[in-house]
Amino acid sequence: AQSVAQPEDQVNVAEGNPLTVKCTYSVSGNPYLFWYVQYPNRGLQFLLKYITGDNLVKGSYGFEAEFNKSQTSFHLKKPSALVSDSALYFCAVRDWDDKIIFGKGTRLHILP
Amino acid sequence: DAGVIQSPRHEVTEMGQEVTLRCKPISGHNSLFWYRQTMMRGLELLIYFNNNVPIDDSGMPEDRFSAKMPNASFSTLKIQPSEPRDSAVYFCASSLGRSSGANVLTFGAGSRLTVL
Repeated sequence: AQSVAQPEDQVNVAEGNPLTVKCTYSVSGNPYLFWYVQYPNRGLQFLLKYITGDNLVKGSYGFEAEFNKSQTSFHLKKPSALVSDSALYFCAVRDWDDKIIFGKGTRLHILP
Repeated sequence: DAGVIQSPRHEVTEMGQEVTLRCKPISGHNSLFWYRQTMMRGLELLIYFNNNVPIDDSGMPEDRFSAKMPNASFSTLKIQPSEPRDSAVYFCASSLGRSSGANVLTFGAGSRLTVL
């Protein structure tokens, strides 16, 4: 079965520093991978996706993610963190039958 | 488009009562998902529909839970009888499905359920 793991429950980064939120996946075929963000008392919002092509995917709010097939990873990155980036981030994978499976989420704290 | 619309936003009920959560997906989207979010278990997929047909309900925790999608613009998630452990935020999400190539989900704002 497809699965996705986010090894860190929380990540703390100083404002202006680069950030990375980690995600690894397990799929039987070609992976369709996603990142979503959740702000307090809101639903999840789509950030970016990888289907095929360039391993570096650019998304909303200056975020990007790097697909690494050999390491089965899809880490979320941003060159310079903002306090407003503080939120809960979810990695997700599309299953063979179109199910979208989410990781447990990583809480990102950007410290001013 | 107003996005995915869920109601009620908040529900407080007593154990044993029936709870019905409602969802209106984005017009034109043909896939609909129900998720449950708790601190302990994260975001769990309960059931999803494609073209109004339930495809996978393996995530529905018990027979107390049921979901329907009578038409393309409406879905319900019902819990009967409700229990305190059902307290969670329930999200509905819709997408264009495989036809879009990537199944990007649009989420509603969620229904926060508290069972006393």
